[in-house]
Amino acid sequence: QVQLVQSGAEVRRPGASVKVSCKASGYTLTTYAFTWVRQAPGQGLEWMGWISGYDGETKSAQKLQGRVTMTRDISTTTAYMEVRDLRPDDTAVYFCARETLVPGTVVDYWGQGTLVTVSS
Amino acid sequence: QSVLTQPPSVSEAPRQRVTISCSGGSSNIGSHGVSWFQQLPGKTPKLLIYYDDLRPSGVSDRLSGSKSGTSASLAIRGLQSEDEADYYCAAWDDNLNGWVFGGGTRLTVL
Repeated sequence: QVQLVQSGAEVRRPGASVKVSCKASGYTLTTYAFTWVRQAPGQGLEWMGWISGYDGETKSAQKLQGRVTMTRDISTTTAYMEVRDLRPDDTAVYFCARETLVPGTVVDYWGQGTLVTVSS
Repeated sequence: QSVLTQPPSVSEAPRQRVTISCSGGSSNIGSHGVSWFQQLPGKTPKLLIYYDDLRPSGVSDRLSGSKSGTSASLAIRGLQSEDEADYYCAAWDDNLNGWVFGGGTRLTVL
């Protein structure tokens, strides 16, 4: 069965970086993409970016461009989302999810979420 | 301010039918399929509807999606207490080159 298992909660100071991992199993990584979504406390869902499992092509939300890097490691079937220059309003639960290779189509399976807290 | 507009909350009695609306524009709902997600308190989102009106395997047929122009709706019939959750619509946006979400609708089963 398809599973996405994310890394554990993180606490960072403002200005620091964080890297969240998402290990996929139960399907062939190169035939799907990952999409990343975050949810601030008590707020709605916010799309962060998309990375192809096939060739590593990425798309990222305009407001985050320059601070976010998405990668994937085919050998370990793991995707990564790094956010740099963290701010308090980056505090959120970060989700990875599986999407088809055509962005904007179907986001079906989700990871359990990773809480990132940014506080001085 | 979310790109897609949903009512913040809806409520209805058990066994009744409720609809949740989602309004967007030509660059998102008007051009791409709409997805709906359910999020139970403290849980991860779950895909309910994709491509406007398709249900993934395992999703109850009490749920249905529809779209007309730049608006979409999620209908749930035969409401049950387990349907209490937050519901989000989403669509790809050509101007932003990414997914956009509605602000979410909290469903209360009275």
